[in-house]
Amino acid sequence: GQNIDQPTEMTATEGAIVQINCTYQTSGFNGLFWYQQHAGEAPTFLSYNVLDGLEEKGRFSSFLSRSKGYSYLLLKELQMKDSASYLCAVPSKNAGNNRKLIWGLGTSLAVNP
Amino acid sequence: GAVVSQHPSWVICKSGTSVKIECRSLDFQATTMFWYRQFPKQSLMLMATSNEGSKATYEQGVEKDKFLINHASLTLSTLTVTSAHPEDSSFYICSASRTINEQFFGPGTRLTVL
Repeated sequence: GQNIDQPTEMTATEGAIVQINCTYQTSGFNGLFWYQQHAGEAPTFLSYNVLDGLEEKGRFSSFLSRSKGYSYLLLKELQMKDSASYLCAVPSKNAGNNRKLIWGLGTSLAVNP
Repeated sequence: GAVVSQHPSWVICKSGTSVKIECRSLDFQATTMFWYRQFPKQSLMLMATSNEGSKATYEQGVEKDKFLINHASLTLSTLTVTSAHPEDSSFYICSASRTINEQFFGPGTRLTVL
């Protein structure tokens, strides 16, 4: 089967670093996505990893280990505006053999002053 | 680039009426569009996947006769909630993609059924 696990909630302090983990089980791997979603808004794309290792993009970095079925999103120099839900997702296929994303339940991050 | 719009952004309707939500890819041709529903403080729930010119593929538990999806062109997909009831009140989000490596989301439509 396919499954994605993320912590439900995390809290961090402004200016700090936080790591949000995601473990996945999927039949056939086609990469892993991270999205950010602020309350009442649609998700916005953060990163896509298909190869092992760390990819850095400004304050946000994403890491993937395919052998361990594990990824993390690293947020540095946290700002209050980073308070949001962070969603991990992996591609799959539906009954019609069309591609879709399997979503984790999201990690709600609260950044405190 | 890769902008997806949704219309309307919010709608309030009476129970029993039908509501149509449009999803457009403004600057690219989307081979596949996805419709999601999200209840407060819950994750995204995929309702259906639609490819241009073919019937949508619905996820298990989603009533295809209640949630009608039309994907008439490579830039437009519509979701019609038929005979809406208060329990259909939710945040409906579409996304569009060209390849498996990307999925661009619209801003969402908040539906409230009285």
